[in-house]
Order: sequence, then C-alpha cells, then structure tokens
Amino acid sequence: GQQVMQIPQYQHVQEGEDFTTYCNSSTTLSNIQWYKQRPGGHPVFLIQLVKSGEVKKQKRLTFQFGEAKKNSSLHITATQTTDVGTYFCAGRNAGNMLTFGGGTRLMVKP
Amino acid sequence: DVKVTQSSRYLVKRTGEKVFLECVQDMDHENMFWYRQDPGLGLRLIYFSYDVKMKEKGDIPEGYSVSREKKERFSLILESASTNQTSMYLCASSLSTSGGPGPNYNEQFFGPGTRLTVL
Repeated sequence: GQQVMQIPQYQHVQEGEDFTTYCNSSTTLSNIQWYKQRPGGHPVFLIQLVKSGEVKKQKRLTFQFGEAKKNSSLHITATQTTDVGTYFCAGRNAGNMLTFGGGTRLMVKP
Repeated sequence: DVKVTQSSRYLVKRTGEKVFLECVQDMDHENMFWYRQDPGLGLRLIYFSYDVKMKEKGDIPEGYSVSREKKERFSLILESASTNQTSMYLCASSLSTSGGPGPNYNEQFFGPGTRLTVL
C-alpha cells in the first residue's frame, strides 16, 4: 500500500533558527495536506497543495510540492516558541485515500 | 466553526471489555474517520464512512468495528479490548474526499481525541 515517510522525526532548534520537515511518498499523489498538532491538542489543517511544483506561503511557513508529486516540504523561517508542535503531511493518492506521515516534532528553545 | 466532539478525553478499560468511542460533528459532513495515533507512527486510519450506514476499512481495522446510524455520529467499537489497543483515538470529518470548489474542500477536522488505556 501507499507509504508516506516524514523526516526528521524530531528537531530541536534555537528560537530564530529555520526549520524544515520533508515528506516522501512511495506513490504519486493527487494532492498533499499539512497539519499541525500542538502539544496536548489535535491536528489542525494548515494547507493543501495540488499542482506539480506548487509553492505556497503562510507568513513564515513555506510549503512546496515536488515536480513529480511524490514529495513535499514545510519550511519555517525564524522559528518562534509558538511554532512548537508536531507537523504532519498527509498524501492523497488516486484512489482518494489519505495517508499520514509519521510527523516531525518541533521543539524550540527560547 | 466546525465542531467535532468525542465522548471522552480519557478512558481506562480492562482487557476483554467492550469499548465504545463516540464522535459527533455538527457541520453536516458526509465523511467521518477514525484514526489511532501512536508515537512515531503518525495517524493510522482504522475505518471511515462516506455516508450513513456505509463503512470502509482503513489500514488497521483488525479488532475494531464501527457504526454510523446517523450522519452526524460515528462510533468506534472495540469488541474485546486488548492492551495493544492502548492509544490515542482521533475522530475526524470532512465535507468530501474528492476535489471540489476551493483549495481546502477536503480538509479534515479533528476532534480533541480520546486517550484509551487498556489494563
């Protein structure tokens, strides 16, 4: 079945440093979604990417969808303590099934 | 705002007990999902439903069943709880699983989760 791998599993950064999490699918995706889960909270939708090579920005967050639609990344510029949490990618295949990656837990030292 | 609620935040059960986890959404969404979340494994889909009385197996349905008698309610049932079912259970709903108007048409809205411990 479809597999979605996400790296790294954990990342410690100093406040103000940049952060990137990478997502790779074993199959070509029709779209990819990103979610954020704060400690003790539930996943909250951030964005969906649909087109090959698409890049979207939300303030300090930049999301990219690879040309082959098999990988994606989330980059945070100048992290803040409010960015703490676990970031999940979720890839949708041609059969409309959404598969979540294992998540990257971001910890930010003030 | 879409609201997805789950019947309990924390639940402790004994091995062999029958366990019901309930989820209710108030936005008339067609699709509802049950996931379990374990450290390092992300969210794994147990079952989903795209309509009343319809259900589909996800990636890890063994040991679980579901019920959807009303559009707003989706129940997860553990017929005989086992210790390896100790986990965080998350319910979600969405308007559609296919493309539609707007970029976020199939966004999933999650409930707060139920942390189940089976002793």
